[in-house]
Amino acid sequence: QQQVKQSPQSLIVQKGGISIINCAYENTAFDYFPWYQQFPGKGPALLIAIRPDVSEKKEGRFTISFNKSAKQFSLHIMDSQPGDSATYFCAAFDYKLSFGAGTTVTVRA
Amino acid sequence: SAVISQKPSRDICQRGTSLTIQCQVDSQVTMMFWYRQQPGQSLTLIATANQGSEATYESGFVIDKFPISRPNLTFSTLTVSNMSPEDSSIYLCSVAGSGRAADEQFFGPGTRLTVL
Repeated sequence: QQQVKQSPQSLIVQKGGISIINCAYENTAFDYFPWYQQFPGKGPALLIAIRPDVSEKKEGRFTISFNKSAKQFSLHIMDSQPGDSATYFCAAFDYKLSFGAGTTVTVRA
Repeated sequence: SAVISQKPSRDICQRGTSLTIQCQVDSQVTMMFWYRQQPGQSLTLIATANQGSEATYESGFVIDKFPISRPNLTFSTLTVSNMSPEDSSIYLCSVAGSGRAADEQFFGPGTRLTVL
């Protein structure tokens, strides 16, 4: 079964809006939480990642929020742009990467 | 990060045949991995390609179906054997950042396989 549960399956946001994707896990052995961005026909690209000793990490318009006690983490895309339209995967690492099901983000101009 | 290439980028194959996918990295890396991404689905780890020894397979994947070679620190191949339409997927190799643990992984562009 999926070790990392990701929601929503898809979302549509207006240009300039905020996209929020959530992930939850149960395995407390996970110690690294990356997010990948995948465009159609391309391999996933590492976007941003966090380790459980911090609660938030920001890189440009992308922010990860991490709640260790709730075993949840989320990706926030601020000021969403049409070029952000892609599928986003959360993942978690213990001895291997386990991926969420993916969220297709569509940014409307 | 390392530059990763895969060959072929896509192929259409007949059932019962085999296809070998190549993964080339522009720098030496310790860890290389092979993943499968079924249409519209997430990524699933097939195996870790170990240099100089047999690959380590995940549950549900076997060496007879997915033989892997790793002759050096920059190259690996994955063979999909005796293919069926259920093998139609994107096959991706990834590498772990040099000098780091296996957590920070970078992916190649993928090989899109269709089996008829």
